[in-house]
Amino acid sequence: EVQLLESGGDLVQPGGSLRLSCVASGFTVSSNTMTWFRQAPGKGLEWVSDMTGISITSRTGTAYYADSVKGRFTISRDNSKNTVYLQMSSLSVEDTAKYYCAKGSFDIWGQGTMVIVSS
Amino acid sequence: DIQLTQSPSFLSASVGDRVTITCRASQDISTYLVWYHQKPGEAPKLLISAASTLQSGVPSRFSGSGSGTEFTLTVSSLQPEDFAAYYCQQLKLYPLTFGGGTKVEI
Repeated sequence: EVQLLESGGDLVQPGGSLRLSCVASGFTVSSNTMTWFRQAPGKGLEWVSDMTGISITSRTGTAYYADSVKGRFTISRDNSKNTVYLQMSSLSVEDTAKYYCAKGSFDIWGQGTMVIVSS
Repeated sequence: DIQLTQSPSFLSASVGDRVTITCRASQDISTYLVWYHQKPGEAPKLLISAASTLQSGVPSRFSGSGSGTEFTLTVSSLQPEDFAAYYCQQLKLYPLTFGGGTKVEI
C-alpha cells in the first residue's frame, strides 16, 4: 500500500529548531517529487517546500521553498530510509501549523504532524 | 506570485443540490490546476488534476472545467460526505499557491 507517515512535530520555543520526517512505503521517494505543505489552525493550505526526484539533469533533485521559510527550512531525502525530512530552524509563532508531506502529483498525503511554536 | 481567488468562501447547501465553486488565477496557468476537498481533522484529498481529470476512485458527481484564468469545480448532486472545505491549487509556477478555500456547509 502506498502511504506516507509524518512524525517529529512538537511544542518548541520561538527561535528553536525541529526536524520533521516523512517515511514512505509502497513507492520510492527518490523517483518522485516530494512536497511539504502546512496548515495553520483554522486556516487554509500553504505550500512549504518541494524536492524533485532524481533525474538525468539532477542526481540529487532540486529543492524549492516558499519565501516565508527560505533560509530557515531545509528539505532533504535519505534514499536508504525512503524518507524525506524538513529541517526547521529559527521557528516563529507564525510557523505553528500541521505539516503534511505529499507524493508527486499530490495524490497521496500523510496524516500530518503538528508543530506548535510558543513560549 | 500567482494569486488564486476562490468564490464563494462559504456555501450553504442541501443534500442533492448542484454546487459550483470558482477559482480565478491572476495570470494564465493553462490547465495546471488541481482541486482538493478536506474534511475536519483529515488530510486534503485530491479530486481533480489538470483542471478536469477526475482522480481514480472519486465519484463521477465531481467535475472540473476551465483553462487559462477561470476554473470551476462542480458537484452535481451533493451527498452528506461532500460537506467539507474545497481548495484549488496552481502548479504552473513556483511558489505553488492555493485559493483561500470554500467551506460547504449544510
